[in-house]
Amino acid sequence: GESVGLHLPTLSVQEGDNSIINCAYSNSASDYFIWYKQESGKGPQFIIDIRSNMDKRQGQRVTVLLNKTVKHLSLQIAATQPGDSAVYFCAENNRGSRLTFGEGTQLTVNP
Amino acid sequence: DSGVTQTPKHLITATGQRVTLRCSPRSGDLSVYWYQQSLDQGLQFLIQYYNGEERAKGNILERFSAQQFPDLHSELNLSSLELGDSALYFCASSEGWGLEETQYFGPGTRLLVL
Repeated sequence: GESVGLHLPTLSVQEGDNSIINCAYSNSASDYFIWYKQESGKGPQFIIDIRSNMDKRQGQRVTVLLNKTVKHLSLQIAATQPGDSAVYFCAENNRGSRLTFGEGTQLTVNP
Repeated sequence: DSGVTQTPKHLITATGQRVTLRCSPRSGDLSVYWYQQSLDQGLQFLIQYYNGEERAKGNILERFSAQQFPDLHSELNLSSLELGDSALYFCASSEGWGLEETQYFGPGTRLLVL
């Protein structure tokens, strides 16, 4: 069935290092992918998105890579800061509006 | 702050009861979405409204219903509550209802059913 899942439930990095959060999706028809950040006690916050006709998209300190061949999505955070500590979700949109979320990865940044 | 507001922030109730969760979308947004976040199911899409009309339905139980009013705020009604309904309920909004509409999430309502 259709699903979006994350490889690792937790990721711990040192402050200043780069972080890579991975996501696998199973629906090859998915058109649009989004990364959200959820801090404790808050709602998901949009980080960056990418269309299926793109391989890479860059934002401020974040880069999303899409590999359609292996149905893999990754979020790279440069120079990770303590404020980046949160749960990160990938989500896909292939039904017009609804988002299908992955399980989430807990990113912990150690000082 | 996403601009999406939800009330109440916390809600504690008993099994069998009925509650109403309220959401106000960002100014100018016509679409409202409801999601449920639980430990065992993760973030799940429930239902979407666009300009007062239902647009998409996900894994929403028959005991749950929603509506969007002319002023575009939305309410999610949960009835005959069960222990398993305890979860975070998020509302999100977007300008339109297409594929690439960015959905902005509210702070959520934490529901605890005892």
